[in-house]
This record gives sequence, C-alpha cells and structure tokens, in this order.
Amino acid sequence: NAGVTQTPKFQVLKTGQSMTLQCAQDMNHNSMYWYRQDPGMGLRLIYYSASEGTTDKGEVPNGYNVSRLNKREFSLRLESAAPSQTSVYFCASSPSGGGTDTQYFGPGTRLTVL
Amino acid sequence: GEDVEQSLFLSVREGDSSVINCTYTDSSSTYLYWYKQEPGAGLQLLTYIFSNMDMKQDQRLTVLLNKKDKHLSLRIADTQTGDSAIYFCAVSAGGSYIPTFGRGTSLIVHP
Repeated sequence: NAGVTQTPKFQVLKTGQSMTLQCAQDMNHNSMYWYRQDPGMGLRLIYYSASEGTTDKGEVPNGYNVSRLNKREFSLRLESAAPSQTSVYFCASSPSGGGTDTQYFGPGTRLTVL
Repeated sequence: GEDVEQSLFLSVREGDSSVINCTYTDSSSTYLYWYKQEPGAGLQLLTYIFSNMDMKQDQRLTVLLNKKDKHLSLRIADTQTGDSAIYFCAVSAGGSYIPTFGRGTSLIVHP
C-alpha cells in the first residue's frame, strides 16, 4: 500500500495563478483532510471531507476550494494564489471519522507563491 | 474552541530522557495524541491515550495525562539522534473527532 500520496511535491506560482493539489489514499478510508503548516503555527485545518460526497470548512478555508472526487481522491484548489498561501500543504485520511480516528498523512506539497 | 499549547524547542543529550509537555483547554477532551514529524516528511502517529487513562507506556515512550491540570506529556527514554524531529500534541474534544494540533516541539538531540 502506498498510503497517502500527494502531487506535486514542490510548486512555485506567481501571484494570481491557479493550481490544484492532488491527494489520493489507498486505505479505503472514509475521511480526508487538507492542512497547511507554517513555521511556528503548527497544523491548521483548511477543509475536510467526512465521507464521499461531503466537504466542510475547517479553520482557514478562505482562498481555497476542495473536491472529493471519489472515496480515494480529495483535491485542493487555489483559484488565485497569494503570497500568504506560501506554505507546506498536507493531505491526511482517517478510517471512520470517530473514536480514536488516527490520521495518516501524506509527504506534503511545498508551495511558494511569488 | 480547543487551544493546545506546546513549547517550541527542546534540546537534550543523547542517552538522556526527553520530556515534551502539552497543555489544552477543553476539559471534555476525549482522545489525546502524539505525532512525530521527521524532516521533509508528513506526520506519523506515535501514540495516543484516552481521557480515562492516566498513563500509557509503549517501549521507550511514556505518556502521562493530568486531567485536572489539562496537561499531557511525552517522555522518551534513552533519547537517540534518530529521535530528533518535531513532536505534535493533538487533542480531540467532545463530539468532534477532528483533533486540534499544537504548534509542535522541535526536539534536538546532540551527542
């Protein structure tokens, strides 16, 4: 099993450009998440999907959109990138969305917006 | 909402014990986790504890929970250079299964 995979690993954008970060999991998990990690800020939840067909906002959703394409895939879209969106983005998945719902993380996408 | 606090840095000598501390605010916190992040990688679960437990031991790792003070700690015995990483405390409270993460503690192990 590959676990949680993310593409691309690195990306440089200019202000105003758009892009989609891809995430896929092969563990048959119901729930998926997008986080951003900034120095000294820890992880902040952008959006999550409790199950296929549902998405909800997290702590910092502004400037992002998501799509739960199917049970395996959860993409994050930046429609008009801003320098404040320079960050490391992590996708995660968890089995059921309840109890001791351990999250499994991908390796991250390092995004720079100039 | 839940607030989770950790100190940002900890430096220890190889072979010593490391203690990483975490405080949280929501007394209804149910599940408390420790994740490890190695350089350039995503987070991996190290261990977790239920709120009805005071202690959990797993090989070199000991988790202590003081519910009265809302304080969680992770002790790593015989710390090795391979333990150098960022350690995140995460807490899920009440009816939400989605944990709130602390800012992470960078553990530096020197010879």
